[in-house]
Amino acid sequence: EADIYQTPRYLVIGTGKKITLECSQTMGHDKMYWYQQDPGMELHLIHYSYGVNSTEKGDLSSESTVSRIRTEHFPLTLESARPSHTSQYLCASSDTGTVTSSDTQYFGPGTRLTVL
Amino acid sequence: DQQVKQNSPSLSVQEGRISILNCDYTNSMFDYFLWYKKYPAEGPTFLISISSIKDKNEDGRFTVFLNKSAKHLSLHIVPSQPGDSAVYFCAAREGYGGSQGNLIFGKGTKLSVKP
Repeated sequence: EADIYQTPRYLVIGTGKKITLECSQTMGHDKMYWYQQDPGMELHLIHYSYGVNSTEKGDLSSESTVSRIRTEHFPLTLESARPSHTSQYLCASSDTGTVTSSDTQYFGPGTRLTVL
Repeated sequence: DQQVKQNSPSLSVQEGRISILNCDYTNSMFDYFLWYKKYPAEGPTFLISISSIKDKNEDGRFTVFLNKSAKHLSLHIVPSQPGDSAVYFCAAREGYGGSQGNLIFGKGTKLSVKP
């Protein structure tokens, strides 16, 4: 069973505020990911990390930033929230896959962000 | 351009019957396919995966079939239960190592199982 945690679960905030979404995993996974998902749409990868001190941008452009100072922790920060940032943010982690094993990602419960 | 397509936004089945969720893909380099289940306000939960070298993988009530020539996979749930009502996402991996290990997701199919 996967152990990956996200806080807060729900956040309502005003425009212009700085926010940090927390994500932690206890599985020792090297790879971690942040996705953005809206109802009826696919999960869009916005950031990922191969390991400590590694961060990469995903397929969907995002104004957020991430850091990976510890293996288990992968926070996402929005310096100035806007209504267009309203969405569900999902964090995931995985082992590095091989030719015989998939990069199965395990997801946290998500953070539902609403920017007024 | 979507590489993983789930063309049915929703599916409704009767409890006890079979649910068949479909997924098409365009990239012949995908080597692993995964199915996830998602309840509202929760994160996706991994269900089952299949390697591109296989054509079937089974786990309890869940079976995934892969037709490489048609670039099509399907998830069969037998028998369907009301607790299976959720959004099901198909995902694909193009190789492994580095960014190739990242998954590409479809838009999901909302399954409703009626008692």
